[in-house]
Amino acid sequence: GNSVTQMEGPVTLSEEAFLTINCTYTATGYPSLFWYVQYPGEGLQLLLKATKADDKGSNKGFEATYRKETTSFHLEKGSVQVSDSAVYFCALSDQTGGFKTIFGAGTRLFVKA
Amino acid sequence: DAGVIQSPRHEVTEMGQEVTLRCKPISGHDYLFWYRQTMMRGLELLIYFNNNVPIDDSGMPEDRFSAKMPNASFSTLKIQPSEPRDSAVYFCASSLGGLVANTGELFFGEGSRLTVL
Repeated sequence: GNSVTQMEGPVTLSEEAFLTINCTYTATGYPSLFWYVQYPGEGLQLLLKATKADDKGSNKGFEATYRKETTSFHLEKGSVQVSDSAVYFCALSDQTGGFKTIFGAGTRLFVKA
Repeated sequence: DAGVIQSPRHEVTEMGQEVTLRCKPISGHDYLFWYRQTMMRGLELLIYFNNNVPIDDSGMPEDRFSAKMPNASFSTLKIQPSEPRDSAVYFCASSLGGLVANTGELFFGEGSRLTVL
């Protein structure tokens, strides 16, 4: 079945540091890939997405590229801010899986001033 | 659009009581999902509906849990009787279906935090 594996946290960085959160997936079909972000006390919200191989999703300085050959969708940001502190979830949705979305375990990011 | 609306935001109840959580999806969305979030197990998909019909309820933990979607604008998740291990944040999410329009993006509500004493 489909699954998502992402690096364990927490990740603690200083402001302006480079961020990478690794994500790999297993899917039987051709999934869409997502990164969602959850701020304290809130629901998840979409950060970025990619729907086919080699697509790059980007938003708010975050980027992730859909790599079919390595089944990966790593999240990167060149310079993090304190306001980026949150939990980040990698996810996939596959038509063959009935459009249900499978989430990774989440990675908590702390950014220090 | 108001987004996905969940109620109550917080619920504290005693073991054995019935709990009902409510969700109003975004108008026009034809998929509705119920997730449970805990520290130990992360985000778990409990059940999802397409056009008000339950498609996959394999994530529902046991018979104490039930979900309904009587119409396109309302869904409930019921726990009867509740137990302390049901304490979690329950999220409802909706999405737009169709093979062309659907990219799988989910729109989440703010969640219902349930505490069972």
